[in-house]
Amino acid sequence: AQKITQTQPGMFVQEKEAVTLDCTYDTSDQSYGLFWYKQPSSGEMIFLIYQGSYDEQNATEGRYSLNFQKARKSANLVISASQLGDSAMYFCAMREGTALIFGKGTTLSVSS
Amino acid sequence: DSGVTQTPKHLITATGQRVTLRCSPRSGDLSVYWYQQSLDQGLQFLIQYYNGEERAKGNILERFSAQQFPDLHSELNLSSLELGDSALYFCASGKISFGANVLTFGAGSRLTVL
Repeated sequence: AQKITQTQPGMFVQEKEAVTLDCTYDTSDQSYGLFWYKQPSSGEMIFLIYQGSYDEQNATEGRYSLNFQKARKSANLVISASQLGDSAMYFCAMREGTALIFGKGTTLSVSS
Repeated sequence: DSGVTQTPKHLITATGQRVTLRCSPRSGDLSVYWYQQSLDQGLQFLIQYYNGEERAKGNILERFSAQQFPDLHSELNLSSLELGDSALYFCASGKISFGANVLTFGAGSRLTVL
């Protein structure tokens, strides 16, 4: 069975600093996809970034980048120049069959 | 607005009752997924439908059932409700059933069982 592990229950960062949210995964599949979603206090789930296992380049989307280390089975999310609006819960997810399986999440708090 | 519509937004009911949660997927999306989010269990995948057919099952209880209709909207039926069923229920939709299929989530239906 596949598994997603997010070991940081909470992270704190100052505005304009960069922060890395950790995610490790466990799979025996050769082809897989990794996703990051953001859940603000309002509750909705917002897609941030996707990385395919065969993608040679690390994915980037604006201030979000994914530090994909296949041999270590890690897919860390890097947020550059943090903003107050980045305060939220962040979930790492991996495709298992046709569904997405999510980690427990990391709460990010950005202070001014 | 994500384009995925869930109703109702909030629902309060009593133990033993039955409720139906409704989801309209984003235009053009054929796949509908249901997830349950609770404090102790996190985000749990319940069930997936693709173009009207059940495609995958996760940790869905026997008291729960779902279906996807010809117009692609989906309903999640929860029966014999227990206190532990109190949770945020998300519907998500996607265009295809595999690969880099980004799921778009609705705003969720918050169920409180008293």
